[in-house]
Amino acid sequence: RKEVEQDPGPFNVPEGATVAFNCTYSNSASQSFFWYRQDCRKEPKLLMSVYSSGNEDGRFTAQLNRASQYISLLIRDSKLSDSATYLCAVPVYNQGGKLIFGQGTELSVKP
Amino acid sequence: NAGVTQTPKFQVLKTGQSMTLQCAQDMNHEYMSWYRQDPGMGLRLIHYSVGAGITDQGEVPNGYNVSRSTTEDFPLRLLSAAPSQTSVYFCASSETHSGNTIYFGEGSWLTVV
Repeated sequence: RKEVEQDPGPFNVPEGATVAFNCTYSNSASQSFFWYRQDCRKEPKLLMSVYSSGNEDGRFTAQLNRASQYISLLIRDSKLSDSATYLCAVPVYNQGGKLIFGQGTELSVKP
Repeated sequence: NAGVTQTPKFQVLKTGQSMTLQCAQDMNHEYMSWYRQDPGMGLRLIHYSVGAGITDQGEVPNGYNVSRSTTEDFPLRLLSAAPSQTSVYFCASSETHSGNTIYFGEGSWLTVV
């Protein structure tokens, strides 16, 4: 089993839709989790951090399920500008900013 | 406000050539790392460093060397380029060991022919 795994998609949704991605992780001792957004041919940029049960920022909600070892990202009222690849990442504790990334989930929001 | 600066942005190499990807950060971060990104593979860690003079291997270190002589710079060397090293390379720096303070460079597109 990969350390961090995502459904690669693509997810094709209409504007205004609600879409959710899951990310599973294998290390049950992981304490923090991150969602990054990556636009085509650009560097990843931090979208949300998750340290406990979840986090919400406007239309974006991240939730953590420790029992099943996954984190989810929910996007409500999708916008065209949400089209991107969403990467989840889990840091290796105490190993210097060392992140393990999932493969990324591609989202395409259509008019 | 430079952040993390990578050069070159684009490079074409012939098989067997060597080259160095440069990475510099001006945030006085202790932690720096190099990732490569291939289609459908996400980002994979090549090498990382927890401070000047200290480096360690990541998931895919073969064919690459690094050194960290200063806090600011973390160059990645390809010793003898192979077509399998065609990829996008991202340098990153971090103030702490947690993921929410990681800053990425803009990426270097490398093609080995």
